[in-house]
This record gives sequence, C-alpha cells and structure tokens, in this order.
Amino acid sequence: DTGVSQDPRHKITKRGQNVTFRCDPISEHNRLYWYRQTLGQGPEFLTYFQNEAQLEKSRLLSDRFSAERPKGSFSTLEIQRTEQGDSAMYLCASSIRLTGELFFGEGSRLTVL
Amino acid sequence: DAKTTQPTSMDCAEGRAANLPCNHSTISGNEYVYWYRQIHSQGPQYIIHGLKNNETNEMASLIITEDRKSSTLILPHATLRDTAVYYCIVRALNSNSGYALNFGKGTSLLVTP
Repeated sequence: DTGVSQDPRHKITKRGQNVTFRCDPISEHNRLYWYRQTLGQGPEFLTYFQNEAQLEKSRLLSDRFSAERPKGSFSTLEIQRTEQGDSAMYLCASSIRLTGELFFGEGSRLTVL
Repeated sequence: DAKTTQPTSMDCAEGRAANLPCNHSTISGNEYVYWYRQIHSQGPQYIIHGLKNNETNEMASLIITEDRKSSTLILPHATLRDTAVYYCIVRALNSNSGYALNFGKGTSLLVTP
C-alpha cells in the first residue's frame, strides 16, 4: 500500500498522559498536513510542513501540542498532558503540489478518559 | 478564503444523478473551488477542483456558474458507495493565503436503494 499511513489507528489514554501519533506520507510528497476532526464536524487544520520546515500552525495547536518532521519524511504529533477535549480523530495528509489535492490517511482516533 | 454554504443533507436514489450545490458568493478571482468527500470512518478523499470552467473526471463533474458565485458537483450515476459527507472548499493557490483547507460541515449525501 503506497498511501498515507498513520499509527496507531486507535488510542485510549487517561487524562494527563502524553500521546504521540505517527504519519508516514506518500514517499515522494514533500508537503505534510495535520488536521483534527471531532464528531459531526469537518476536519480542522492544525499544522503544515514543507519538507522538514513547519511553515504554518493553527491557533488550535496549543502549547501542549508539538509536531515534527525531522528528516522531511515521516512526521509525529505529540499531545502532552491530554485533556478530554483532545478526544478526536487526528488526520494526516500529504501532497506534492500546492494545488489543494491532499491525500489523507485513515486517521488516528484518540479517546481521553 | 471565501466562505461556502452547503445544504446539511441530501438524498438520492441509486442510479440517479446526485447534484450537490455550493454557494460561494464572496469568491475572489484567484480562488479555486475544491470538492472532497469523506466516507464514514475514512479520511477525506479528493474529488475534483476548478477555477471557472466546468471540469469532469472519472468521479464527477463540476459545474461553476459564470459569475462563479455558486457551483454544483454532479455524481452522474450515484451508487450506495457514494454515501458520504461532501465538502465544498474555496481557496487560493498561493502561500499568502496559508496552507489550510477549510472544510466546514459539508453535505451528508445518502444514496438509497
């Protein structure tokens, strides 16, 4: 499968714990995006990488959230001191051009108890 | 980016054409219209995009009015697998507008047997 891969697909954690999600984009795609989606809502933009550079961060990305893409390939999204409001689907997408045609992964569903 | 307005939900009989409308009355000259869809429990999937001319691909057709204030996504022969939330998004293709796609809530399309 050469699509966008996300891991884990599901994560249940207790409030206050740290969690990390990984995204492996399509191999030749230099652009990588993180989105968050809560029940009944459309995906909301979190952050964007071009190669290893993080070029845009949403106001939704509080200081408890950090994203990295150290070698311009895979990316990680870490949430520290999780809160119940962080429960959501975290979606990763990649693209090769700035045309808006994003390829999304299946998402990582986070449940904070 | 211009704001879009879509109906909350629509029904369509299997085998018939599904016509999904989108209003974007504040669209500016350099903004494109994009359509994505999201099948339950999956990541969003790109369908089609256009600037001012009508566009067609293997999935759908996009009809944009002459004044560009509205558009219609047409699924010519809807199948049960087309049941999904359809998002109409307007954005410019330059980094000055940022890199986020604003999905909104979309239209929930139900294709019935």
